[in-house]
Amino acid sequence: EAQVTQNPRYLITVTGKKLTVTCSQNMNHEYMSWYRQDPGLGLRQIYYSMNVEVTDKGDVPEGYKVSRKEKRNFPLILESPSPNQTSLYFCASSFYSQGDTQYFGPGTRLTVL
Amino acid sequence: GESVGLHLPTLSVQEGDNSIINCAYSNSASDYFIWYKQESGKGPQFIIDIRSNMDKRQGQRVTVLLNKTVKHLSLQIAATQPGDSAVYFCAENRGGSNYKLTFGKGTLLTVNP
Repeated sequence: EAQVTQNPRYLITVTGKKLTVTCSQNMNHEYMSWYRQDPGLGLRQIYYSMNVEVTDKGDVPEGYKVSRKEKRNFPLILESPSPNQTSLYFCASSFYSQGDTQYFGPGTRLTVL
Repeated sequence: GESVGLHLPTLSVQEGDNSIINCAYSNSASDYFIWYKQESGKGPQFIIDIRSNMDKRQGQRVTVLLNKTVKHLSLQIAATQPGDSAVYFCAENRGGSNYKLTFGKGTLLTVNP
């Protein structure tokens, strides 16, 4: 089944404890992206990647890192999480570019205490 | 500023009725639009898309209408069912593959049995 998977789906952590949210797609998509979704603010892009080893900042990149060592994987790293990073996170991918239809993962609910 | 917006934040309909969800956009250069459905606890799912060279596109029980004159997009759901209850939001590509999708904040559709 063609899909985007994320792990973990739920995570509660404490301020300052490094964490990684994994994202994987099996559709051979070139483009991958991370979003956060907060009430009243909609989807906001954190980082995106046009291809392997090519990443760039989105609208709200502060406090996050990403890497794209393989085409299928695009992990999101929070080196020192803070409470304002409590949010619902979505990974997405599309065939070629950020203007194409994006297919989303199921989401990761992160709570930083 | 330019943005993708919504006319109504919530919509409540009776089962079996038709639903219409609206979206306004402000950039006349936008050439590609997508409707997503997001059920509670899940990631956004692609429903239907339309390019600016079309006025109407139909899917299974859904129709998207594009009025470029007034920069308005609508999603019509026929014979709305309880399973249609979700947040619906539109996304806009403001011009070509180098542009990001810009997402609206969403309309909550509630279907009453």
